[in-house]
Amino acid sequence: GQQLNQSPQSMFIQEGEDVSMNCTSSSIFNTWLWYKQDPGEGPVLLIALYKAGELTSNGRLTAQFGITRKDSFLNISASIPSDVGIYFCAGLGNYGGSQGNLIFGKGTKLSVKP
Amino acid sequence: SAVISQKPSRDICQRGTSLTIQCQVDSQVTMMFWYRQQPGQSLTLIATANQGSEATYESGFVIDKFPISRPNLTFSTLTVSNMSPEDSSIYLCSVAENRGNTIYFGEGSWLTVV
Repeated sequence: GQQLNQSPQSMFIQEGEDVSMNCTSSSIFNTWLWYKQDPGEGPVLLIALYKAGELTSNGRLTAQFGITRKDSFLNISASIPSDVGIYFCAGLGNYGGSQGNLIFGKGTKLSVKP
Repeated sequence: SAVISQKPSRDICQRGTSLTIQCQVDSQVTMMFWYRQQPGQSLTLIATANQGSEATYESGFVIDKFPISRPNLTFSTLTVSNMSPEDSSIYLCSVAENRGNTIYFGEGSWLTVV
């Protein structure tokens, strides 16, 4: 079945540092979505990518849809304590599954030292 | 994006009982879904809630265990039947917008089965 490899699994960085995480797949996706989940809450959509090569920013966050449509990365610049949480990538594609069947990565847990 | 509200937000349930989770959206949406997030894991699609007809279940999920209702375009329920400790998870309602290319999640319902 479809799988997304998300890395790193966890990160522990100094406040103010830049962060980078990525997802790769053996399959093509038509849409890449990046979510953040805080403890006790549901995932919140950060960035949505719809076209290969697309580079999109949302404040200090930047994400790109890989040219091959098999990968995506998320960068966070100048991290702050409220960036703590778990970041998930998710892919949506025409692979015969249900239309809303997002395939999720296993998440990147971000911890920031104040 | 649509505002998605779930009830209950948390519950502790006795083994063998059933619990119904409600999902209310503040606007009419065509596509609604139910996901499960087991402790420390990423999200897995349970089923697509179809308005006026039976839900479409993913592999590994069955109607007898997870009956779903969707009486209109703004409301759905998921019942977790005959619960066991293995059902302790976060259950998340989600909706699709932008012609199905963007998925948003509710805050989740955190169930603990004892």
